[in-house]
Amino acid sequence: GENVEQHPSTLSVQEGDSAVIKCTYSDSASNYFPWYKQELGKGPQLIIDIRSNVGEKKDQRIAVTLNKTAKHFSLHITETQPEDSAVYFCAARGSSASKIIFGSGTRLSIRP
Amino acid sequence: DGGITQSPKYLFRKEGQNVTLSCEQNLNHDAMYWYRQDPGQGLRLIYYSQIVNDFQKGDIAEGYSVSREKKESFPLTVTSAQKNPTAFYLCASSIERGNSPLHFGNGTRLTVT
Repeated sequence: GENVEQHPSTLSVQEGDSAVIKCTYSDSASNYFPWYKQELGKGPQLIIDIRSNVGEKKDQRIAVTLNKTAKHFSLHITETQPEDSAVYFCAARGSSASKIIFGSGTRLSIRP
Repeated sequence: DGGITQSPKYLFRKEGQNVTLSCEQNLNHDAMYWYRQDPGQGLRLIYYSQIVNDFQKGDIAEGYSVSREKKESFPLTVTSAQKNPTAFYLCASSIERGNSPLHFGNGTRLTVT
């Protein structure tokens, strides 16, 4: 069935360094790839998304890249700050138009 | 402020009891969703609704039921048939199905003992 794999499950980086989270998806028909940030005790919030007709998208310190051939997409956070500490989820819209399938999450910790 | 409200934030029930989780949105979104989140796992879809009076099962619908009598409201009932009901439940909505971002509430943590 449709599946999204996310790595790593935990990531610790020094403040100011970059963080990269990678995801792969199984459904070649997927065409929408959002990323969500979840802080403790709260619901996930959309931080950036990309559609399949675009290879890269950037919003300040956050960027997402998409390789449709390899079915990979990645989240890049530059100049990390303490407030970037959270759990990050990648997701992909599957063949069913109404289903968004989530990865298992990455817990990002920023070391001062 | 527009948003999604889930209540209560924490809910405790005894095994064998049904319990209903509330989800209300004032974003005028057509589609609404219920997800379950367990530690170390992603979000798994329980039910979704694209329009009033219509809803579909997600990947883990067994032991759950929903209703969509109003556009703003999409309550989830966790029945006694759900074998492992203790979890964090998230409600979400979107403008249209699938290709637009989901807006999430802040969740309800259900503990069944």
